Amino acid sequence: SQKIEQNSEALNIQEGKTATLTCNYTNYSPAYLQWYRQDPGRGPVFLLLIRENEKEKRKERLKVTFDTTLKQSLFHITASQPADSATYLCALARTGGFKTIFGAGTRLFVKA
Amino acid sequence: EAGVAQSPRYKIIEKRQSVAFWCNPISGHATLYWYQQILGQGPKLLIQFQNNGVVDDSQLPKDRFSAERLKGVDSTLKIQPAKLEDSAVYLCASSEYRGPNYGYTFGSGTRLTVV
Repeated sequence: SQKIEQNSEALNIQEGKTATLTCNYTNYSPAYLQWYRQDPGRGPVFLLLIRENEKEKRKERLKVTFDTTLKQSLFHITASQPADSATYLCALARTGGFKTIFGAGTRLFVKA
Repeated sequence: EAGVAQSPRYKIIEKRQSVAFWCNPISGHATLYWYQQILGQGPKLLIQFQNNGVVDDSQLPKDRFSAERLKGVDSTLKIQPAKLEDSAVYLCASSEYRGPNYGYTFGSGTRLTVV
């Protein structure tokens, strides 16, 4: 069955450093990969989308890479700030079924 | 623009009781989704509507869950009867177009506790 793996352990980093979150998947060939941010008690907020034919996507301090050979996406936040502390979810989808599958997320803590 | 509205924010019921959740998507968004998010897990799709038609309800437990989207705008999700394992956050999301090549806008969700 399709499986998405994100680091279950929280990531703790110092303010100003680059945070790198990993999303691995198996038994799936997604055409799109999305990243969302989720704060406690709130719904996920869409951040970035990358297509299977794109290697990298950037938006302000965010960068996403997508390696379909390794079946992995990396999500980077440069110059991290305490306000970046949240849970980050990756989500995969194909064009055929339109069903988007979410990972369980990785909790990020940025210390001042 | 106004976001996706959901109500209630919290609900506590006893097992075997019924409950209903309401969602109002962003104006003009044709596609509406209901997701279930159990604590510590990612959201799981329950049902997807395109206007007022069902696109995917393969993961909806149809013996107890039902959903409708009359007139292609508001939607309600109902559980009857509720079980302890239904305790979760129920998220509604909408998107302008059908398909995963656009991000979804989520509401804040309804946290359901079944005791």
